[in-house]
Amino acid sequence: GAGVSQTPSNKVTEKGKYVELRCDPISGHTALYWYRQSLGQGPEFLIYFQGTGAADDSGLPNDRFFAVRPEGSVSTLKIQRTERGDSAVYLCASSFGGRNNEQFFGPGTRLTVL
Amino acid sequence: GIQVEQSPPDLILQEGANSTLRCNFSDSVNNLQWFHQNPWGQLINLFYIPSGTKQNGRLSATTVATERYSLLYISSSQTTDSGVYFCAVFTNAGKSTFGDGTTLTVKP
Repeated sequence: GAGVSQTPSNKVTEKGKYVELRCDPISGHTALYWYRQSLGQGPEFLIYFQGTGAADDSGLPNDRFFAVRPEGSVSTLKIQRTERGDSAVYLCASSFGGRNNEQFFGPGTRLTVL
Repeated sequence: GIQVEQSPPDLILQEGANSTLRCNFSDSVNNLQWFHQNPWGQLINLFYIPSGTKQNGRLSATTVATERYSLLYISSSQTTDSGVYFCAVFTNAGKSTFGDGTTLTVKP
């Protein structure tokens, strides 16, 4: 596709459940990023992939959060044992080359944990 | 980590007015981007501007990296300019940090 796509656009789940959020980056972009945005705030960095490997996962809040990018393209953010505080918009971005290059964002997935 | 402050936090304009949004950052950066987040939440790229001045239609941006600030100018504002404007900086360590944004409302 022409831009970054994310699915689902909305996800409602119950506390304690497991969720997966998917990101499909711009074709040819080797770098992929996940961010989380809470209401009234700017996006917060979670994890950065260069190719298949997680080059920087320092933003993941705890070990309930995990992300993969097995073939260097599509990425999945996985959240175990969801908590109400995980409710936010999860944004994915991609860039060509290194992480200082221009990033392009997807439309986000709005996660609501009841 | 690096601090990013955007001002003003809120701005209300009459259609046709000009405005300046500011982004201050506390350390040296390798890259800086300005985004517009529309009412549907999509982050739209405005400028990739680690230094210097760029213009795109009614918008322009200037980054003075040595003084650790960037400015976004909007001229002849339109109602479609409404939304939240974010500045994001990227450091030597590759860390990306967003400000909390400026919420712009343009009234007809």
